[in-house]
Amino acid sequence: QVQLVESGGDLVKPGGSLRLSCAASGFTFSDFYMSWFRQAPGKGLEWVSYIDIRGSSTNYADSVKGRFTISRDDGKNSLFLQMNSLRVEDTAVYYCAKGHTMTSPWGQGTLVTVSS
Amino acid sequence: EIVMTQSPGTLSMSPGERATLSCRASQSVDSNLAWFQQKAGQAPRLLIYDASTRATGIPARFSGSGSGTEFTLIISSLQSEDFAVYYCQHYINWSITFGQGTRLDIK
Repeated sequence: QVQLVESGGDLVKPGGSLRLSCAASGFTFSDFYMSWFRQAPGKGLEWVSYIDIRGSSTNYADSVKGRFTISRDDGKNSLFLQMNSLRVEDTAVYYCAKGHTMTSPWGQGTLVTVSS
Repeated sequence: EIVMTQSPGTLSMSPGERATLSCRASQSVDSNLAWFQQKAGQAPRLLIYDASTRATGIPARFSGSGSGTEFTLIISSLQSEDFAVYYCQHYINWSITFGQGTRLDIK
């Protein structure tokens, strides 16, 4: 079955960087757009970014544009999110998801905490 | 940015009852609308996409309707496992935003 497993979440200081990974299995990864979403503690869902097939086109929420970079490695069935210049307000559980409009399934998430 | 507004914020109902959740977009999103269910400590699960198409494995008691700016999710007969938070989400114009969620509680 389709499985998505995120990793890389950690405690980081404001201004720091972190790289999240999402390992995909159970489907032909290279055939699908992929997305990242996030959810701050006790808050609602927020779309972060998506990447198209082959990684030739990407799109970002205004809140992360210029600081975050989405990428993919189809040979390793993996999705990445490079997060730079992290802010306290980036603290959230980050989810990867298959697709970019009809997003399903989502992984279980990885927690990123930005705090001094 | 298109703003999605869900109502009510909280809905308290009993098992077996029919639940109606609403979602309004600040401008037309055509039928580019999805509904998600999220239980505590779990990832969101896609229920409905394209406003009215049930995702794979979603029971028939869940139905979606609407287009343009007004959308509805109906759960025809609530089961114990349906008590959760529900989010609507649009996907149009290369942008994606969610509503703030409706919490469905057991009365």
